[in-house]
Formats: sequence, structure tokens, C-alpha cells
Amino acid sequence: EPEVTQTPSHQVTQMGQEVILRCVPISNHLYFYWYRQILGQKVEFLVSFYNNEISEKSEIFDDQFSVERPDGSNFTLKIRSTKLEDSAMYFCASSEGGARTYNEQFFGPGTRLTVL
Amino acid sequence: QKEVEQNSGPLSVPEGAIASLNCTYSDRVSQSFFWYRQYSGKSPELIMSIYSNGDKEDGRFTAQLNKASQYVSLLIRDSQPSDSATYLCAPPLGGSYIPTFGRGTSLIVHP
Repeated sequence: EPEVTQTPSHQVTQMGQEVILRCVPISNHLYFYWYRQILGQKVEFLVSFYNNEISEKSEIFDDQFSVERPDGSNFTLKIRSTKLEDSAMYFCASSEGGARTYNEQFFGPGTRLTVL
Repeated sequence: QKEVEQNSGPLSVPEGAIASLNCTYSDRVSQSFFWYRQYSGKSPELIMSIYSNGDKEDGRFTAQLNKASQYVSLLIRDSQPSDSATYLCAPPLGGSYIPTFGRGTSLIVHP
């Protein structure tokens, strides 16, 4: 069964460093999403991406964040200068159609980011 | 102002009982509603979606939507220990169609 994959499963970094989180969405899906979940808190939407551009983003997704689809399979989230408060689980998701067509989003297993 | 409210629980029910999970939301624009299940340390998994008032049944799960009251619920019949997880209500708010997750209700089904 197709699934969303994410690497690495755990990333430890020093405050101020740049990190890139990687995701491989399901191959025939066209819409991609990043969410984060701080330990013990709710899942928060960061950004959605379609046709090589951002379609929606939350107020959390500020200038330190960027997303990219560098090739036909990977979807990445870059955090330029990490802060302690960026420590969280980051989930990638993909869907066949857009959120506006109520398509089911399939989540990857997540990357746990720890900023020291 | 909280947008999506759920009782954090834990809600503890015996195996075989009906578990009732509730969610209220503040945005009148929301048209679709999702229930996700999240096991500890895992990612969310969509288990039910409902778009119109009334009930929607899928196996042991029934979602109920009341748009006038801005209330959506999830009933799990014949609860099993494997249903023990956190259940996230996720109505898209502000007309964005992007799910906005509640904090979730922790469900414990004990044998």
C-alpha cells in the first residue's frame, strides 16, 4: 500500500542551525502539506503546496520556513535558523486532490526535531 | 477565543461499550468535518469525514453533525482496546478547507 515517507525520523540540531526535513509523498498525489505538533499539544497546520507553489500557509509559517519540491518525488521543509521553540514533531501529508475537494490527507510517520 | 474545543479526557470505557466523543467549533463557515485517530507517538489517521447535517455510519463508527449547534460527535460502538488512542476533531475553519485540529480526546478502552 502506498505511503508517505519522511526522513530522518529524528533530527537533533543546535539553535541557529539550518535543518531540512524530507518527505516523499504518495506518487500520484498532487497536494502536499506540512504540520507540526509540539509535545502534548495539538497538530498545527504550517503550509500546503500545489503545482510548485504554496497554496496556503498559517501564521506560524514565517520567513524562517520554506518549502520546496526539488525533484519529482521529494518535498522538503527548511527551517533556516532554528529556535528552541521549533522542537516538535513535523508531519508531512499528501492528498490526491486539494483540501477544497475534501480529499483525504495521508500523513507520514513524522520527523522529531530537537533543537538544543 | 478557542476555535475547536474537545474534552481532553481521558475517557475510559469498558470493552464492548459505546464511546462518545464530542467537539464544538466556533466558525460558521466550516462545511466539512474530519475525525482523526492518533496513537501515541504516531501520525494522525483520518477515520471519518462528514459534510452534511445528520449521521454518517462507517462500520463501528458513527459521526454526527449539527451545524446549527456547531457540534460534531463521534460514536464508537463495541469499543475495543485497539481503539485506545487520541481522537482529533478537525473542522476546517475560516473557510480555508485546511483541517484545524482540536487538542484531542484521549480514549482508553479497558478489557
